[in-house]
Amino acid sequence: DTAVSQTPKYLVTQMGNDKSIKCEQNLGHDTMYWYKQDSKKFLKIMFSYNNKELIINETVPNRFSPKSPDKAHLNLHINSLELGDSAVYFCASRRAGGTTDTQYFGPGTRLTVL
Amino acid sequence: GEDVEQSLFLSVREGDSSVINCTYTDSSYTYLYWYKQEPGAGLQLLTYIFSNMDMKQDQRLTVLLNKKDKHLSLRIADTQTGDSAIYFCAERSTSGGYNKLIFGAGTRLAVHP
Repeated sequence: DTAVSQTPKYLVTQMGNDKSIKCEQNLGHDTMYWYKQDSKKFLKIMFSYNNKELIINETVPNRFSPKSPDKAHLNLHINSLELGDSAVYFCASRRAGGTTDTQYFGPGTRLTVL
Repeated sequence: GEDVEQSLFLSVREGDSSVINCTYTDSSYTYLYWYKQEPGAGLQLLTYIFSNMDMKQDQRLTVLLNKKDKHLSLRIADTQTGDSAIYFCAERSTSGGYNKLIFGAGTRLAVHP
């Protein structure tokens, strides 16, 4: 009964490849996010979707394309992977209008680009 | 723009109290959070406080908020080796009309016997 799940947990790939990371939440939340954590552990928001609509895009290269097929899923597709894309990617979800406005995070996907 | 700052390292002895500090810049009413990240794991929400509160206590955790100085602290009483982790302070931002979290760089807490 995991709340926010991500697949895969680890992803190792060559430069130039295209890859996808999937996220699912079973909390009934409306809003989902992708965050990137770099090698120095710094966390920064990339995207947010509310009810399948993109609402935040934080100047992320257009090689990154999020897709939300429904409220419970937010996937991240990355084209032409570069060395600098190596990081841990975290998905999070939040119930819009909730009293604590809390975001719940998935376990992360560690992407290594060789 | 919004910014959240934390000291990067803290080392304490098992059984002592740990105090992790954070400063933020948003002047609006907002939520402030503490998340814990253990090695190789995701982010676990520890506690949160709304900016109209001064203090919140939850078992071994005490959050203190100084609104005037925009200073937030997390005190862990009777620190245990299992508390060794990175602790992130985060501020809820609503700039642009949308909700997002602005994170500090994380404080790495090392607990030694």
